[in-house]
Amino acid sequence: GAGVSQTPSNKVTEKGKYVELRCDPISGHTALYWYRQSLGQGPEFLIYFQGTGAADDSGLPNDRFFAVRPEGSVSTLKIQRTERGDSAVYLCASSDSGRAPGELFFGEGSRLTVL
Amino acid sequence: AQSVTQLGSHVSVSEGALVLLRCNYSSSVPPYLFWYVQYPNQGLQLLLKYTTGATLVKGINGFEAEFKKSETSFHLTKPSAHMSDAAEYFCAVSDQADKLIFGTGTRLQVFP
Repeated sequence: GAGVSQTPSNKVTEKGKYVELRCDPISGHTALYWYRQSLGQGPEFLIYFQGTGAADDSGLPNDRFFAVRPEGSVSTLKIQRTERGDSAVYLCASSDSGRAPGELFFGEGSRLTVL
Repeated sequence: AQSVTQLGSHVSVSEGALVLLRCNYSSSVPPYLFWYVQYPNQGLQLLLKYTTGATLVKGINGFEAEFKKSETSFHLTKPSAHMSDAAEYFCAVSDQADKLIFGTGTRLQVFP
């Protein structure tokens, strides 16, 4: 596809369960970002990949959150032992960082609801 | 540490009126500055950006913003609002290392 694709678009789960959110970036984009957007707030940085490696994971709130990008393309955000406070829209973005720093292309997000 | 403050979570204007959305930033290094727009049920998209050079930058849909270092501001303007401009607008700052820090957003309403 032409844009950043995120699946699922909506996920409802119960407290304590494990969740995976997937991001398929724009083909050829080496940089991939995960953000979290809570109601009424701006996107909050979680983690940034350059290729396969996490260049900056300083935004991950705790060790229940983990993300991978094993082949430098698709990324998965993993949340263990979900809590109600994890409910938010999780945004993925990609960029051709060498050509246009900061010009991120965002997906439509995955809305996570923890009951 | 970098941060962004957007004054006014909601702004309402009449169609044809001037749009002014305020953004102030804090950065310890020369910043890159951005405005992103989020239309209902769509992903965020880049409106315009300042990296280096000319301090007045023009973006899509007639929007522009001016980088004022002395005021640490990057306010977004449009001379004449259109109904289709109704959306949420986010200011963001980067320390040139790609990670963007976003403000809390301003929801723009345009009345006929």
